[in-house]
Amino acid sequence: DTGVSQNPRHKITKRGQNVTFRCDPISEHNRLYWYRQTLGQGPEFLTYFQNEAQLEKSRLLSDRFSAERPKGSFSTLEIQRTEQGDSAMYLCASSPQSGLSYNEQFFGPGTRLTVL
Amino acid sequence: DQQVKQNSPSLSVQEGRISILNCDYTNSMFDYFLWYKKYPAEGPTFLISISSIKDKNEDGRFTVFLNKSAKHLSLHIVPSQPGDSAVYFCAASLGGANSKLTFGKGITLSVRP
Repeated sequence: DTGVSQNPRHKITKRGQNVTFRCDPISEHNRLYWYRQTLGQGPEFLTYFQNEAQLEKSRLLSDRFSAERPKGSFSTLEIQRTEQGDSAMYLCASSPQSGLSYNEQFFGPGTRLTVL
Repeated sequence: DQQVKQNSPSLSVQEGRISILNCDYTNSMFDYFLWYKKYPAEGPTFLISISSIKDKNEDGRFTVFLNKSAKHLSLHIVPSQPGDSAVYFCAASLGGANSKLTFGKGITLSVRP
């Protein structure tokens, strides 16, 4: 399977704990995006990487959130001191930098976070 | 401020008939528009897109129409099939280097056999 993969698929944690999610994009895609989706809403942009450079962060991404893409391949999203309001589906997407599909983003299955 | 709006939360159509899903946007700088389909417990799947320089794009049973003056786009599915039942998201981007997507809230399509 050469699509975007995300791990874990589900995460249940207690308030105040730290969690980390991983995203593996499509191998030839150098753009990688993180979105968050809550019930009844569409995905909301969190942050964007081109290769290893983090080019944009949403104001939704508080100081408790950090994302990395150290070698321009996989990415991690860490949430420190989780709060119940962090409960959501965290989606990762990737796209190529050029070519016919460069405006199209391909999504992974998401990581469902539940904070108790 | 919702820049991409899908005002109807749900739509129900008969199998074989046309499904028309509407989307409005407020930012005239949006340059590229996309439709995604989402099943429960899965990520959104890309369906079809359209550049702002076009007014129509067709791919099999799916056609997207763009009316820039009205800041409105629509997705037509003909004929509708039960397997089309899902949540459909409209999304827009500024294009180029600023490629983040702004999504609507989605519309739940139910196709009755």
